[in-house]
Amino acid sequence: DSGVTQTPKHLITATGQRVTLRCSPRSGDLSVYWYQQSLDQGLQFLIQYYNGEERAKGNILERFSAQQFPDLHSELNLSSLELGDSALYFCASSVGVGNGYTFGSGTRLTVV
Amino acid sequence: TQLLEQSPQFLSIQEGENLTVYCNSSSVFSSLQWYRQEPGEGPVLLVTVVTGGEVKKLKRLTFQFGDARKDSSLHITAAQPGDTGLYLCAGEDNFNKFYFGSGTKLNVKP
Repeated sequence: DSGVTQTPKHLITATGQRVTLRCSPRSGDLSVYWYQQSLDQGLQFLIQYYNGEERAKGNILERFSAQQFPDLHSELNLSSLELGDSALYFCASSVGVGNGYTFGSGTRLTVV
Repeated sequence: TQLLEQSPQFLSIQEGENLTVYCNSSSVFSSLQWYRQEPGEGPVLLVTVVTGGEVKKLKRLTFQFGDARKDSSLHITAAQPGDTGLYLCAGEDNFNKFYFGSGTKLNVKP
C-alpha cells in the first residue's frame, strides 16, 4: 500500500457518459497530480493541484476537469467520454520538490 | 515530442546478464527520479538523484545523474526475473512538475 488511494479500481462505461475518479493523497502530501497512461502514449501529465489550488496544467482535454478539496482529496471528472479515453488514470502525490511521487494503483477506465 | 528520451525501448535478456538503461534530455532538471512499474500497477519510486554526478546504489541497481543534470543511467547487475517491468525516468523542474520518459520495458528470462 503506497498510501495514495484511488477509487474505483475499474470502471466500464458507455460513450457519451460522465465519470468521476477519486484520489486521496498520502498523509502530509499537499500536491496531487493526475496522469493518463495508455498503451501507445506512456504517462501523460494532466493536471496538478497544490493545497486546493490548480498549479499546472498538461495535456488535459476541455471535457476533463479536476479539483482538490479542503481535505486534500482530489477528483477527476471525465465527460462526453469517447472510446479513445479508455486508459489507466493515475493519481500521484508529493510532499515537495526533490521528493518524487507516490503513485496510487490507478483506475482502469474502459469506454465501450 | 518527449522531453526525456529513454533507450532502449525494449530489452529482453537472460537471467544473470548486466544491462544499462539511458535517460537523456536537452533540459536541465532540479532532480531526476527512476520508477519501476508492473502491469496494472502504479509506478513505484526507486530513487531520486539531485546533484550532478551523483551515484546511488540500491542493491544490484546503480543510478547515475549526469554532471550537467540533463541525463541519467540505470545499471542493473546480474539481472533476475523479478527485475522484469517498465522502467521510467522522470525529470523535475523548479516548479515541482515532472516530465516522464516513455519507458524501457525490461524482460528478464529465467
